Amino acid sequence: DAGITQSPRHKVTETGTPVTLRCHQTENHRYMYWYRQDPGHGLRLIHYSYGVKDTDKGEVSDGYSVSRSKTEDFLLTLESATSSQTSVYFCATRRGGTDTQYFGPGTRLTVL
Amino acid sequence: RKEVEQDPGPFNVPEGATVAFNCTYSNSASQSFFWYRQDCRKEPKLLMSVYSSGNEDGRFTAQLNRASQYISLLIRDSKLSDSATYLCVVNINLRKTSYDKVIFGPGTSLSVIP
Repeated sequence: DAGITQSPRHKVTETGTPVTLRCHQTENHRYMYWYRQDPGHGLRLIHYSYGVKDTDKGEVSDGYSVSRSKTEDFLLTLESATSSQTSVYFCATRRGGTDTQYFGPGTRLTVL
Repeated sequence: RKEVEQDPGPFNVPEGATVAFNCTYSNSASQSFFWYRQDCRKEPKLLMSVYSSGNEDGRFTAQLNRASQYISLLIRDSKLSDSATYLCVVNINLRKTSYDKVIFGPGTSLSVIP
């Protein structure tokens, strides 16, 4: 295991409220990723980071922003949550020079 | 066409059976390949990498056919504990400096029945 934790693990919120999910890793991996997983779609990349303060968009980035001020933390923010953002969110990390991604336990987000 | 496609499943097999999963990918620039396993309501975990020469890990064998853009996973002597969703994963290196595009297949569900 790559020592990845996510918080919160479960969250229920209302439409229009801001939400921040946190991913924390202890392995000093360079790359970090945020995915969402929905039935019928599999895992889809939201944003990724290739270093401190270096981030870029994935395939489903609309409505999401990220920040990485420290190697160990990668934050995902929903500025104004919508019901379509109800999903399971996974964080992943990868060490530079390798291909394997390691996943956190996931956050189940419900937007009412 | 999706970039990574897998057998739709679900596969329901008896204990001891041999089961094979197939995966096809569309981008010929794909460079590395993996099978991940995901248990219900858990995170995906790496099962094995897939090499052109084929590789085996106990009861699991993975094969890659670059010419046909096809990956397979064979599970022999299925156990109840093999019940999970199996994800085919393809890495496409777009830029040498920072980003590998990682594409996850939709997964194939396996249930091993007593």
